[in-house]
Amino acid sequence: DTAVSQTPKYLVTQMGNDKSIKCEQNLGHDTMYWYKQDSKKFLKIMFSYNNKELIINETVPNRFSPKSPDKAHLNLHINSLELGDSAVYFCASSGQGRYNSPLHFGNGTRLTVT
Amino acid sequence: KNQVEQSPQSLIILEGKNCTLQCNYTVSPFSNLRWYKQDTGRGPVSLTIMTFSENTKSNGRYTATLDADTKQSSLHITASQLSDSASYICVVSPNYGGSQGNLIFGKGTKLSVKP
Repeated sequence: DTAVSQTPKYLVTQMGNDKSIKCEQNLGHDTMYWYKQDSKKFLKIMFSYNNKELIINETVPNRFSPKSPDKAHLNLHINSLELGDSAVYFCASSGQGRYNSPLHFGNGTRLTVT
Repeated sequence: KNQVEQSPQSLIILEGKNCTLQCNYTVSPFSNLRWYKQDTGRGPVSLTIMTFSENTKSNGRYTATLDADTKQSSLHITASQLSDSASYICVVSPNYGGSQGNLIFGKGTKLSVKP
């Protein structure tokens, strides 16, 4: 029973295309996140949603648009893909109001833009 | 500037040996410090979380220590196994609120355990 699941696991596409990554969690968490892990393995927050509402939007190009249809899902849509978007994207979730609760990560989506 | 520095960058040890990974941080205010294990091709998995008042926490063969005065933490792995080969990431939270979107991540230590 996967707690946080992302699809697809691998995504290869050409520059200029639009693509989406889906994320679902079955932990009953209220907060979900998107992280980007670059080639240096550094994890950076992109977005954070709490109960379907955007609460954090770091300096991310507006080509990236998160969508949360309900609190168990947080999808990431990327328009006009660029070479620099190539990275591994991780979805995560955490419990509401518990500042010391762990993040639960999905297994990532490796995006390659050619 | 809030930063988390980890050392060494990479480490190779023989199966059965112990090792210690280091984490220094300059995050303020400080809420808690976490260690995550990230296997190749997988997402990070939480090992330990320590708040300001805790100075040691164990999870099986993993023991984390925290010195909030010197802003240092270590992760000690006992009797290493091949399955311990992974990246270990130190993460510090400056936040006391419900959201954890401003966690500060270290770059990780890549551990290889050889037979």
